[in-house]
Amino acid sequence: RKEVEQDPGPFNVPEGATVAFNCTYSNSASQSFFWYRQDCRKEPKLLMSVYSSGNEDGRFTAQLNRASQYISLLIRDSKLSDSATYLCVVNVRNNNDMRFGAGTRLTVKP
Amino acid sequence: GAVVSQHPSRVICKSGTSVKIECRSLDFQATTMFWYRQFPKQSLMLMATSNEGSKATYEQGVEKDKFLINHASLTLSTLTVTSAHPEDSSFYICSATSYTSAQHFGDGTRLSIL
Repeated sequence: RKEVEQDPGPFNVPEGATVAFNCTYSNSASQSFFWYRQDCRKEPKLLMSVYSSGNEDGRFTAQLNRASQYISLLIRDSKLSDSATYLCVVNVRNNNDMRFGAGTRLTVKP
Repeated sequence: GAVVSQHPSRVICKSGTSVKIECRSLDFQATTMFWYRQFPKQSLMLMATSNEGSKATYEQGVEKDKFLINHASLTLSTLTVTSAHPEDSSFYICSATSYTSAQHFGDGTRLSIL
């Protein structure tokens, strides 16, 4: 079983749609969680950290479910500019053991 | 925000050449730097973790004699791909972290070995 698993997609949604991604992780000792966004042929950029209580940043909401060992990312009112690959990242032990999911590809269409 | 500079962004060279990639943290001291490799349509794969002043820790399957990592200061780490071959062609990305919980990535280096 992979340490971090994501549905690779692709997710093709119309502008204005709400879309959600899930990511599961295998190590129950995982300490911190992140969503990164990666545009084609570019480096990943931190989108948001995921806190135990859940957190929201504008149209983006991230949630953590430790009991079921998954994190989620919800994007509301999708924009064309949201088209990218979204990487789930799990930090098992401080900063020296970050594991990446394979990424979920999102395409928002007019 | 924190900035990490990676250079060069693109390298095309002949098989057998050694290629050095630099990763610099521009506005913070990076206690730890990471080197990743990404093949098309795949996720980032951690190659090695580099702590300033000590030897890098390589992931299983990564040849340390092939991928030389030097982390001479708190702001600079280098990755040298020695005697590169076509199968080494990939997108190499560095990242750096200080005492925050997130990593900051360089722009990546696209390496093409002919």
